[in-house]
Amino acid sequence: IAGITQAPTSQILAAGRRMTLRCTQDMRHNAMYWYRQDLGLGLRLIHYSNTAGTTGKGEVPDGYSVSRANTDDFPLTLASAVPSQTSVYFCASSPGQGGVETQYFGPGTRLLVL
Amino acid sequence: GQNIDQPTEMTATEGAIVQINCTYQTSGFNGLFWYQQHAGEAPTFLSYNVLDGLEEKGRFSSFLSRSKGYSYLLLKELQMKDSASYLCAVTEGSYQLIWGAGTKLIIKP
Repeated sequence: IAGITQAPTSQILAAGRRMTLRCTQDMRHNAMYWYRQDLGLGLRLIHYSNTAGTTGKGEVPDGYSVSRANTDDFPLTLASAVPSQTSVYFCASSPGQGGVETQYFGPGTRLLVL
Repeated sequence: GQNIDQPTEMTATEGAIVQINCTYQTSGFNGLFWYQQHAGEAPTFLSYNVLDGLEEKGRFSSFLSRSKGYSYLLLKELQMKDSASYLCAVTEGSYQLIWGAGTKLIIKP
């Protein structure tokens, strides 16, 4: 593994189903983020984690949950998917040393909710 | 609140120069990033400006005016591989990034 990986690459999901998007980084970064990207809109922050064991809500957290049991993994769960959650989901990380930092992105998961 | 504006789409010719503008309104500004995103791929870091002025990095340069809430990304000697979306993002007090919708740059031969 080099950098950030996400799984699955893409998924078609029936509305009402539960889904977990996986994100793993091997850079030992403290901070991790989940964004969604929709056509015509900027990346929007869903949840973030400044360090293992802590999480916070971003701009659009409703319908999503996250956990940060260790430094490397930051899964995003949709408890009961709805069509408006159709989007491209990006996981990102940054060193988390404090202050402004460059974020590094995973390849994304393309999710279609029907 | 925060607001970031970029043109939706621009077209330029291979070998030419193009300037992509970004204006922002935010509280507690701490810096501005430019990222490149090819279609179907992840955003990748291009530049970061925290002080006023021009930062040059090869064919790409980025300018910031904090007093005007304005930045631009300048791409010189355009190549076909520069066809991508260019995302402007600003930091605010919490050090999280607020993203513009991106500018899709189309390069024509």
